[in-house]
Amino acid sequence: SQTIHQWPATLVQPVGSPLSLECTVEGTSNPNLYWYRQAAGRGLQLLFYSVGIGQISSEVPQNLSASRPQDRQFILSSKKLLLSDSGFYLCAWSISGPGDTIYFGEGSWLTVV
Amino acid sequence: GENVEQHPSTLSVQEGDSAVIKCTYSDSASNYFPWYKQELGKGPQLIIDIRSNVGEKKDQRIAVTLNKTAKHFSLHITETQPEDSAVYFCAASNGNQFYFGTGTSLTVIP
Repeated sequence: SQTIHQWPATLVQPVGSPLSLECTVEGTSNPNLYWYRQAAGRGLQLLFYSVGIGQISSEVPQNLSASRPQDRQFILSSKKLLLSDSGFYLCAWSISGPGDTIYFGEGSWLTVV
Repeated sequence: GENVEQHPSTLSVQEGDSAVIKCTYSDSASNYFPWYKQELGKGPQLIIDIRSNVGEKKDQRIAVTLNKTAKHFSLHITETQPEDSAVYFCAASNGNQFYFGTGTSLTVIP
C-alpha cells in the first residue's frame, strides 16, 4: 500500500530564516505531488503541484518554492520566511492528474516568530 | 473556474443523531466528489467519494448523495459518535483540478 511521510511535524522559525519541508511517498511510482497550505484550520490552498521530476507548477505567487529532486520526493522551501508564512502545510499525492483522488500527509505546523 | 460552497460552517449534534453537510458546485464538467475528514492537527483523510454516474453511495454510517441537475452533493452521517467530531471538507473535480469547500466543523455532544 502507498504511504506518505512528511517532516518535520512542527517547526518554529524566526523571520528571515530559511525553510525546508520534506515529503516522500512510498509504494507507488511517478505520483503527482502537491503542497497545500491551510490557515486557521480551514481553507486548503494549493501552492504547488508536480507531475514529474523537475516539473513544478506554482498556483500562487509567494515567498515559497518547491522542488522535486527524485520521483517520490517533494520539498517546500523558502530563503527568507515571513510572518505570513505561518500555517499548516500539507503534502499530498495522487496516482494520476490533478483531478484524481488526492491523499494527504499528516502535515507540518510552521510558526514564524 | 469551479466554485464549491459548503454549508454549514459549524454543526453541533447530540450523540446518536444524524448530521448532514451540503455542498454546491458550479462547473457542470465536475464528475468526481470526494469527502475528507480532518481531525485536529492531522491531515485530511478521504472517507467517501462518489462519481457522477452514481446518485448515492453508502459506507456503514456515512453516505453521500449527488444531484447533478441541481449541482449539489451531501454527506450524511447517521448515529453520530464523539469520534465523528472533526472538520469535514467536500471537493469537486473536473478531471483537471480539485476544488475544496471551506470546511464544516462538526461537534458531536456526548
